[in-house]
Amino acid sequence: GALVYQYPRRTICKSGTSMRMECQAVGFQATSVAWYRQSPQKTFELIALSTVNSAIKYEQNFTQEKFPISHPNLSFSSMTVLNAYLEDRGLYLCGAAGTGKDTQYFGPGTRLLVL
Amino acid sequence: GDSVTQTEGQVALSEEDFLTIHCNYSASGYPALFWYVQYPGEGPQFLFRASRDKEKGSSRGFEATYDKGTTSFHLRKASVQESDSAVYYCALGTNTGKLTFGDGTVLTVKP
Repeated sequence: GALVYQYPRRTICKSGTSMRMECQAVGFQATSVAWYRQSPQKTFELIALSTVNSAIKYEQNFTQEKFPISHPNLSFSSMTVLNAYLEDRGLYLCGAAGTGKDTQYFGPGTRLLVL
Repeated sequence: GDSVTQTEGQVALSEEDFLTIHCNYSASGYPALFWYVQYPGEGPQFLFRASRDKEKGSSRGFEATYDKGTTSFHLRKASVQESDSAVYYCALGTNTGKLTFGDGTVLTVKP
């Protein structure tokens, strides 16, 4: 089956520092990877959609300068939160979809706490 | 822009009750429609999808029928169990690869 792993599951960083999170797809080729942030109220914000061999598309209010994403192959993606502040807290989820498929499979998320 | 509306923010039921969670969408063309379930401490799990008018998706006893006329994809289950307690999300997807989620419905099932 399609499995998605995320590392770390939980991280704490000091305000103004950066942290990197990883997403790994197992059992299928993750042609596209979407990164979301889930708020404490459980709503989802799409940060960006990355497709292998295409430009990464960021949503309004999210920039490459703040959330640089790497998607070097069909099984791995990473995202860094640069210069994190309190408003960046939340659960960061990656959703991966296979070639020609629109169903995204999600990892368990990386919970970011900023002190 | 695309949007998904889930009418119920919270639903409380007893075991063996019938479940309905309402989902309506707004989008151009024929979006794909999805249901996901999220348990505490986990990411959303894909339940099922549908992409054509009158198509029914189903999994684990849950089902929903794509209705383009009423722009709906309501989730139903005939007999819920305590283990079904979770947050349920309706979502729509377009050919851009993006998913737009509803705000979620918290289902609590009492034994």
